[in-house]
Amino acid sequence: AQSVTQPDIHITVSEGASLELRCNYSYGATPYLFWYVQSPGQGLQLLLKYFSGDTLVQGIKGFEAEFKRSQSSFNLRKPSVHWSDAAEYFCAVVRGSYIPTFGRGTSLIVHP
Amino acid sequence: DTEVTQTPKHLVMGMTNKKSLKCEQHMGHRAMYWYKQKAKKPPELMFVYSYEKLSINESVPSRFSPECPNSSLLNLHLHALQPEDSALYLCASSQDDRAWYGYTFGSGTRLTVV
Repeated sequence: AQSVTQPDIHITVSEGASLELRCNYSYGATPYLFWYVQSPGQGLQLLLKYFSGDTLVQGIKGFEAEFKRSQSSFNLRKPSVHWSDAAEYFCAVVRGSYIPTFGRGTSLIVHP
Repeated sequence: DTEVTQTPKHLVMGMTNKKSLKCEQHMGHRAMYWYKQKAKKPPELMFVYSYEKLSINESVPSRFSPECPNSSLLNLHLHALQPEDSALYLCASSQDDRAWYGYTFGSGTRLTVV
């Protein structure tokens, strides 16, 4: 069975600092990988996705993610965080059944 | 139009009530989904409709009854719910049921069962 792990429940950064949110997956082959963001009281919004090809993927809102096959990771990064980035971030993997498996989420707190 | 619209945004219902949640999209997406999300948890899949046919039911209790009247509309009928059913109910859509397209989510209906 596929699984996805987000090891950090909370991450706290200062506004303007860089950000990296971790995501690891376990599956025999490369799955399809996604990052979603959920602002308080809102639905999830797709930030970016990876299928194949270039392992560095650009998304919306200035986010990027890098797929590393050797580490089974798909970490999300942003060079300079804004207060409006405070939200819950979910990594998701899709393989086979076409239904995504979501990680437990990482809550991003941004200090002014 | 690139949105999934859910109504109502908030709903309080008693355990003997019957209510419905509505979801609408006009992006031409042919797959639509209902998810349930508890606080501080990832969304849990309930139902998948593909080309207006129910393709996945994740062993959801019969007090939740989905309906897809047409390709743009998805309903979730609620009856005799329990307090533990209180949650955020999210609707999502995708081009089709091959989820590599990614989902477009609505803002959800916050349901409270009293």
